[in-house]
Amino acid sequence: QLQLQESGPGLVKPSETLSLTCTVSGGSISSTNYHWGWIRQPPGKGLEWIGTLYYSGSTYYNPSFKSRVTISVDTSKNQFSLKLNSVTAADTAVYFCARLNGYCSGSSCSYYFDYWGQGTLATVSS
Amino acid sequence: QSALTQPRSVSGSPGQSVTISCTGTSSDVGGYNYVSWYQHHPGKAPKLVIYDVTKRPSGVPDRFSGSKSGNTASLTISGLQAEDEADYYCCSYAGTYSWVFGGGTKVTVL
Repeated sequence: QLQLQESGPGLVKPSETLSLTCTVSGGSISSTNYHWGWIRQPPGKGLEWIGTLYYSGSTYYNPSFKSRVTISVDTSKNQFSLKLNSVTAADTAVYFCARLNGYCSGSSCSYYFDYWGQGTLATVSS
Repeated sequence: QSALTQPRSVSGSPGQSVTISCTGTSSDVGGYNYVSWYQHHPGKAPKLVIYDVTKRPSGVPDRFSGSKSGNTASLTISGLQAEDEADYYCCSYAGTYSWVFGGGTKVTVL
């Protein structure tokens, strides 16, 4: 059974960088058709897609984060990471990592986030 | 890229059916069949209950069903059970490798 676990500091100061890691167990992070994403949930609000790292190595980010976000992978550790720069109080949220299952068979494709971590709360405060 | 619109809450008695709507635009929900639904009990990992608009992952009860009409997708829970009380989120592909989620709906079992 695939498991994802987020880790990182729970408290970050304003203007600093939020760094989180997602450790994948029970499967390889390098498997084809699988891609890796970060999603967050600010207090009292809904989910917000942050970005996705595709198997090809390409990354795509939510434009609302502009150039503040970077997602990278460490295949040797079976981990992928999120870095969010210049954080403010508005970045306080529970951050989830998830696997995007994506494949095409003939002309039919399928994409969905099938496994998620439990989430980790990151608070931005001085 | 605006969040998909969901009702804040819906409720029903055990055994009844509830339907949650998820309204987007022709650039997301209406434009692609990559709509998925997630059940979330706070403090736990979100769980996929519907993908590709209508498909159910193995292990998800057939009480959960999905549909779409135009720019609105829907999740129906039939034969509501106590363990179905949770937050539910819709998600849609929004083009150019981007994704958008809904604001979430709290399902209460009366």
